[in-house]
Amino acid sequence: DQQVKQNSPSLSVQEGRISILNCDYTNSMFDYFLWYKKYPAEGPTFLISISSIKDKNEDGRFTVFLNKSAKHLSLHIVPSQPGDSAVYFCAASGSGTYKYIFGTGTRLKVLA
Amino acid sequence: DTAVSQTPKYLVTQMGNDKSIKCEQNLGHDTMYWYKQDSKKFLKIMFSYNNKELIINETVPNRFSPKSPDKAHLNLHINSLELGDSAVYFCASSQRPSGSGETQYFGPGTRLLVL
Repeated sequence: DQQVKQNSPSLSVQEGRISILNCDYTNSMFDYFLWYKKYPAEGPTFLISISSIKDKNEDGRFTVFLNKSAKHLSLHIVPSQPGDSAVYFCAASGSGTYKYIFGTGTRLKVLA
Repeated sequence: DTAVSQTPKYLVTQMGNDKSIKCEQNLGHDTMYWYKQDSKKFLKIMFSYNNKELIINETVPNRFSPKSPDKAHLNLHINSLELGDSAVYFCASSQRPSGSGETQYFGPGTRLLVL
């Protein structure tokens, strides 16, 4: 049973436009969410996170939105740049569980 | 200066062999993890150690045995390798056990291919 789902395996966006990556979760006990970016042959690197007490967190070109009632979060990248081309994983955790549950990733391709 | 390093990066071996993957972090973190990313790209937690004590042991075959000689190292030993063990194995670390508010930092991965 996959508790964190990224239903779009891939996404292509023109440079300068907005990229929106989506993530759904099923466990209402999750209270912390993160996005990781992964380039080929490298490990995932932390991008941005959000606590369940917030509905938005912004860091430069990256904004994460959390809709708890819909159990949905999204990552907005604006403007998108070719260097943003990577696989993006969302992850979730519940307090005291000591682990993150990862989605299967969305491959973003930003076209120059 | 690599924060989380793994050796080897690539490992090709025959079925039935025993192999080890090493992980070291120089971040001063208390908690380390092993993940497996299979061919379907699922990134699944296998084990976690906090201050050299096992705190997460997911449903993993007994052939997999983690060992943490100190807080900076977490090694993974795999006995009697099987074809299905072929995957990318990632080590990660965090300041404290992951839950609310702790970010995990990942190593570059070890690509294991069992023939």
